[in-house]
Order: sequence, then structure tokens, then C-alpha cells
Amino acid sequence: DAGVTQSPTHLIKTRGQQVTLRCSPKSGHDTVSWYQQALGQGPQFIFQYYEEEERQRGNFPDRFSGHQFPNYSSELNVNALLLGDSALYLCASSPRFGLDTGELFFGEGSRLTVL
Amino acid sequence: AQSVTQLGSHVSVSEGALVLLRCNYSSSVPPYLFWYVQYPNQGLQLLLKYTSAATLVKGINGFEAEFKKSETSFHLTKPSAHMSDAAEYFCAVSLVGNEKLTFGTGTRLTIIP
Repeated sequence: DAGVTQSPTHLIKTRGQQVTLRCSPKSGHDTVSWYQQALGQGPQFIFQYYEEEERQRGNFPDRFSGHQFPNYSSELNVNALLLGDSALYLCASSPRFGLDTGELFFGEGSRLTVL
Repeated sequence: AQSVTQLGSHVSVSEGALVLLRCNYSSSVPPYLFWYVQYPNQGLQLLLKYTSAATLVKGINGFEAEFKKSETSFHLTKPSAHMSDAAEYFCAVSLVGNEKLTFGTGTRLTIIP
């Protein structure tokens, strides 16, 4: 079982560009959540996808959008990049309501640097 | 809304000594509470969770935490620190039926040989 896999692991973009990050959930999981972890901070919830729909959203602007595919994999898109978007982006997968059982697994993240 | 406060951004203990990492939460309803560990350049790994069952929760790697409602605390302890415990530790809270985790700012644990 490969667990939660994310790509790319590192990338560098310039201000104003757009980025797409990808996540494949752990086998058997159908729910994907995205978190942003700025340097020296705890992760912050961006949004969650289940059944190809955004179910919950944190306090992030519309520049942050996502998608979930029929195979449960997910993408995070960020438009009009700002310097403050530099962070580690973590994907977490779970079965529906996986927090109740602690079945929430994180990937190793995609580190985005915006210059 | 729920929130988490972790007291002490850096904690250093000697190898073999007691580890105590502090976490206080704020929630208008009974919460779920979690401790996660993050090693350098890695994702988060669940250490333990409280989901309204026993108030003393045992986790992996010898860690445990006690839910104290009267003190709104969920401190993480380990009787004897090991060099491999050096990492960043995050306390997190969620509400029943809510899939969003709210994290604290983390505590970096250093083990002194």
C-alpha cells in the first residue's frame, strides 16, 4: 500500500503564475483534504473533497480551487500566486468521517516556493 | 469556533527524561483532540487521539495524553525520552462530525544526549 502520494515534491514559481498540485489517496479512501503549512506554523485547512464535490472550505480566497476525480485523486490549483503562498501543501486522505476513527493519513507534501 | 494553543514553541529534554508538551484547547462543544508528529521533510503522523472515550489515551512510541475538561487541556507525555523522539509535535482539534482539523503552531522537541 503506497499510502498518500503527492506530486511534485518541490517546485518554484514566480508571482502571478498558476500552480497545480496533485494527490493520490491511500487505497480504500474516498475523501481528500488539503492543508497549507507555512514555515514555522501549523497546517491550515484549505478544503475537503468527497464524491467529487467540495464539502468544506477553510478561510482561503477563491484563488485556491480544487478538483476530485472519479478515482478519488485530487488536484489543488492556486492562481495569481503571491509570495505569501510559499508553503508546504499537505494532502490528507480518509474514509468518510475518518477523523472519528483517526483514519486520516497525510502525504509528505509539496513544497511550493514563490519568487 | 475551535482553537488550540501550544505552550512553548521549543522544548529540550535530556535523553531518558520525562517529555511534557502542553496543549490547551477552546471549543464550544465537546471536541475531538489529536497529537501529530512531523519529522523533517515528512508529512504528519498520528500519535494518538481522544474521541470521547477514555480520558487517558495511549498512543504509539510510548506517548500518552490525558483529556482534562476542567482545565481544557490535552498535554502529551512520555516517561523516558529517546533520541528518535526529536521532531515537531502538533496538537489539533476538531468537532464531532466535522472533518476539519485546527492545528496549534507546534512544539519542536530537542533531545539532549
